Amino acid sequence: SQQGEEDPQALSIQEGENATMNCSYKTSINNLQWYRQNSGRGLVHLILIRSNEREKHSGRLRVTLDTSKKSSSLLITASRAADTASYFCATAAGTGGYQKVTFGIGTKLQVIP
Amino acid sequence: DTGVSQNPRHKITKRGQNVTFRCDPISEHNRLYWYRQTLGQGPEFLTYFQNEAQLEKSRLLSDRFSAERPKGSFSTLEIQRTEQGDSAMYLCASSLEPGQASSYNEQFFGPGTRLTVL
Repeated sequence: SQQGEEDPQALSIQEGENATMNCSYKTSINNLQWYRQNSGRGLVHLILIRSNEREKHSGRLRVTLDTSKKSSSLLITASRAADTASYFCATAAGTGGYQKVTFGIGTKLQVIP
Repeated sequence: DTGVSQNPRHKITKRGQNVTFRCDPISEHNRLYWYRQTLGQGPEFLTYFQNEAQLEKSRLLSDRFSAERPKGSFSTLEIQRTEQGDSAMYLCASSLEPGQASSYNEQFFGPGTRLTVL
């Protein structure tokens, strides 16, 4: 079953613009991650934010987490054509040594050169 | 290349046939995961191994599916009597066990095996 729900499902922007993707989830989590997937390929881990963190940066990426609203956002600044991909949020939940990772349905981002 | 590798990359089969996929994780990773991804959806968890032990299986993993990791290194995923609904991308990922580097260890994904059942 899918835990997260990304919004929008598709986004088309011009190169240089910022892209914002949102993710909502349903249950308590330990952390939330964002992944990128180029067409027909495997997933690449972008950034992880823990449940006690509110904001995190990595290069051109900025992630926020609001556990009270059970939502997260991924901002890509100064987008490039190479950022064209699908972006998935994934929540990790559970106790003990294994945290089950559940993915959302993704946002398809197209950056037009 | 020391990443996760999967073979074959593509498999086309007829309904009713058996198929087997292989995943070679990053060598020092003791955890290995299988996911299934259908078109327009995110990956869905199937099962995971810690070393050679299969510790969790999703309800998606029907009795036609079996996964093994006999020596705690590579893993195979077999689907028996394939159905058209099995058509999907099958993704493998590996990670260290939490505690070896942090409380949660990043999963590294392979390129996937795309299965088409005719």
